[in-house]
Amino acid sequence: DIVMTQSPDSLAVSLGERATINCKSSQSVLHSSNNKNYLAWYQQNPGQPPKLLIYWASTRASGVPDRFSGSGSGTDFTLTISSLQAEDVAVYYCHQYYRTPFTFGQGTKLEIK
Amino acid sequence: EVQLVESGGGLVQPGGSLRLSCAASGFTFSNFWMSWVRQAPGKAPEWVANIKRDGSEQYYVDSVKGRFTISRDNAKNSLFLQLNSLRAEDTAVYYCATGYNWNDAYDYWGLGTLVTVSS
Repeated sequence: DIVMTQSPDSLAVSLGERATINCKSSQSVLHSSNNKNYLAWYQQNPGQPPKLLIYWASTRASGVPDRFSGSGSGTDFTLTISSLQAEDVAVYYCHQYYRTPFTFGQGTKLEIK
Repeated sequence: EVQLVESGGGLVQPGGSLRLSCAASGFTFSNFWMSWVRQAPGKAPEWVANIKRDGSEQYYVDSVKGRFTISRDNAKNSLFLQLNSLRAEDTAVYYCATGYNWNDAYDYWGLGTLVTVSS
């Protein structure tokens, strides 16, 4: 199974500052046939299902503000929030959909400093 | 508007069974691979199973193989998960989710149904 490891487990950032969350996969999730990274990022608020933010490692989902961006390739990925807003407080998960069983990172809890 | 509505959760004793349902609307259900993802309290989501558009292929995480069965009824726009031989570690919110292909990110999620396995 592909193990997804996020860092840090929790993060406190001031409003308007940058937040960076990292995700490392135990195997590459880059498919050689189409040069796509099968890596997504989700945001989850309490009592709600995860919400897709980023897919193919760097493509924003519909309606997601442009302060959210994804980068990385192969085994190392980053989710960046360029200017933290109060509504961004949540838990964030990375997710590989390259190979079953699809797996998620353990989550990063983002708070306001 | 895409909607996924799960039902069928509840409290069940260890070794018991439940059947979860997911009613889909707002999209052509038969064109989409469908999945179940669960999330234990305070834990990360865990992919459980998925099923091909026509129901001819199913894939499972090892921890549920032989105990859970995913199925679908395209005529009724419905997805199912039969849970047998339930264990305490199966306690979770169960979500149905989809992203079109078998290896797409999950654009759409239901609100989930809670399964609690306890004596």
